[in-house]
Amino acid sequence: DAGITQSPRHKVTETGTPVTLRCHQTENHRYMYWYRQDPGHGLRLIHYSYGVKDTDKGEVSDGYSVSRSKTEDFLLTLESATSSQTSVYFCAIRDYTSTDTQYFGPGTRLTVL
Amino acid sequence: SQQGEEDPQALSIQEGENATMNCSYKTSINNLQWYRQNSGRGLVHLILIRSNEREKHSGRLRVTLDTSKKSSSLLITASRAADTASYFCATVWVQGAQKLVFGQGTRLTINP
Repeated sequence: DAGITQSPRHKVTETGTPVTLRCHQTENHRYMYWYRQDPGHGLRLIHYSYGVKDTDKGEVSDGYSVSRSKTEDFLLTLESATSSQTSVYFCAIRDYTSTDTQYFGPGTRLTVL
Repeated sequence: SQQGEEDPQALSIQEGENATMNCSYKTSINNLQWYRQNSGRGLVHLILIRSNEREKHSGRLRVTLDTSKKSSSLLITASRAADTASYFCATVWVQGAQKLVFGQGTRLTINP
């Protein structure tokens, strides 16, 4: 599992509230990613990071912000959650020192009522 | 978009049979990866094939890549009940940071 954990694993919140999801890795990988997965879709990239304080937008970044103040933590924030952000969120790291593949965390199931 | 599109969307076969899933994509790629996702779990990386490779094997998995047709296939031989899962192809856009673009996946069911 490449030492990736996500917290919380499940969350139910109400429309308009802020939500922060945390991704934590233990192997000092430079690249980290946030994806969301919805029924009928594969995973879609929200934001990614290529180092501490270095982040960029992905395909579906509207309504989301990220921060990376330490190598091991990558935070995804929904400033004001909407029902359309109900989804399963996956964090990933890129291991480009050996296989150059991405390894995924277990996911966070977020429900916005 | 470089989105991969898997075909079929769902596949149901008997244990012991071979399962073939296809993936098509739209633009040039650096490499293509296949992932498996068991119900309610995260994605597990299966195999990576680079754009200059045509075929790759890993255990019971065989992946082919035809860049002229912009397509790839994943063959699972001698299927087992434990192979029941969704399978996704992901095309890789490497411009500084590797970005994966996933298709919708193939839901594979192995019947005992």
